[in-house]
Amino acid sequence: DIQMTQSPSSLSASVGDRVTITCQASQDISNYLNWYQQKPGKAPKLLIYDASNLETGVPSRFSGSGSGTDFTFTISSLQPEDVATYHCQQLDNLPLTFGGGTKVEIK
Amino acid sequence: EVQLVESGGGLVKPGGSLRLSCAASGFTFSSYSMNWVRQAPGKGLEWVSSISNSSSYIYYADSVKGRFTISRDNAKNSLYLQMNSLRAEDTAVYYCARDRLSPWSSWTFDYWGQGTLVTVSS
Repeated sequence: DIQMTQSPSSLSASVGDRVTITCQASQDISNYLNWYQQKPGKAPKLLIYDASNLETGVPSRFSGSGSGTDFTFTISSLQPEDVATYHCQQLDNLPLTFGGGTKVEIK
Repeated sequence: EVQLVESGGGLVKPGGSLRLSCAASGFTFSSYSMNWVRQAPGKGLEWVSSISNSSSYIYYADSVKGRFTISRDNAKNSLYLQMNSLRAEDTAVYYCARDRLSPWSSWTFDYWGQGTLVTVSS
């Protein structure tokens, strides 16, 4: 199974800050990586697919990059409504696997 | 509007069975692969199972293989997960999720239900 390691597991930042989350795969997964946002008590929401493609309707302050084993998710200017846990997911091989999640809070 | 509504969760004893349902609306259900993903309390997401649009292809996580069965009824726009021999470690919120592309599987989930809680405890 492909292991996905996300870091940090949590972070606290101020409104307007640039926030960066990383996800590392245990083997080369090309660009087969998605990012989801999960607000407290809610279902996950797709934000980024195939490492860098913004899902329709998702604000442009969210972005993703990377390929191979190392990936980055960025919120360019943190907003109060971005408080959530963010999950990466590899889709290169079954079983599909997710990172452990990064909880983002407002300082 | 795409809607996925899960039902069937509840409290069950270890070794027991439960059948989850997911009612879909707002899209052509028979054109999309569907999936189950679970989340144990306070934990991350875990993929459970996937089924292609015509039920020709079915996949399971090793943790549930042989105990869980995914199925669908395209005439009823419904997805199911039959869960047998339940264990404490199966306790989780179970989400049904639609594949982003049609008709093939992209393994990317663009719509999710609100989830249904399954608790396995004596």
